[in-house]
Amino acid sequence: DAKTTQPNSMESNEEEPVHLPCNHSTISGTDYIHWYRQLPSQGPEYVIHGLTSNVNNRMASLAIAEDRKSSTLILHRATLRDAAVYYCILRGEYGNKLVFGAGTILRVKS
Amino acid sequence: NAGVMQNPRHLVRRRGQEARLRCSPMKGHSHVYWYRQLPEEGLKFMVYLQKENIIDESGMPKERFSAEFPKEGPSILRIQQVVRGDSAAYFCASSQVAKMRGGFPGANVLTFGAGSRLTVL
Repeated sequence: DAKTTQPNSMESNEEEPVHLPCNHSTISGTDYIHWYRQLPSQGPEYVIHGLTSNVNNRMASLAIAEDRKSSTLILHRATLRDAAVYYCILRGEYGNKLVFGAGTILRVKS
Repeated sequence: NAGVMQNPRHLVRRRGQEARLRCSPMKGHSHVYWYRQLPEEGLKFMVYLQKENIIDESGMPKERFSAEFPKEGPSILRIQQVVRGDSAAYFCASSQVAKMRGGFPGANVLTFGAGSRLTVL
């Protein structure tokens, strides 16, 4: 699976939007972009995924660049419960295992 | 509709004992994945199984670790002769194969359990 690059950490204020970037310059045409997060002492949790078009769900939005070499996870109003490690992962055509990188540690200040 | 169930949630073993971790996938899911997270480290893939088959065990240590997903019952991750370095959180995830165009399963989503925390004394 192709590699992704994320900032080590980010900080946000409560109730403000958060934009978490991810670079994946070697993405292939059949790679889906997945985002998961892991809250402290919990298992990873699916957030959102997409292929080419921007995606919205109840948790977040995913904005995918036109060339697909980068994407941004958008939390519209951060809460303290959104403090977690966020992982951007590419899932290829064989789609078996997810390979987790270091992710981005999101800290939310009240 | 229960999610992925893992038990025990916490397990304490002495060096040299065996640890058995169980994972019941979500209803309708036929694929199981095991991950390990050492203290203060990232999630590492261990093994991917379908019913009665090991599909990818590239992340499994060569000795003492084994996994199975029988036709009936939960998936089991077994660690023999545990050592202190085995102390970690072990997460199980399950998925079903997505029916996407061209048959590519890259879109299917993994649902994780809450994990089993193994402490080796």
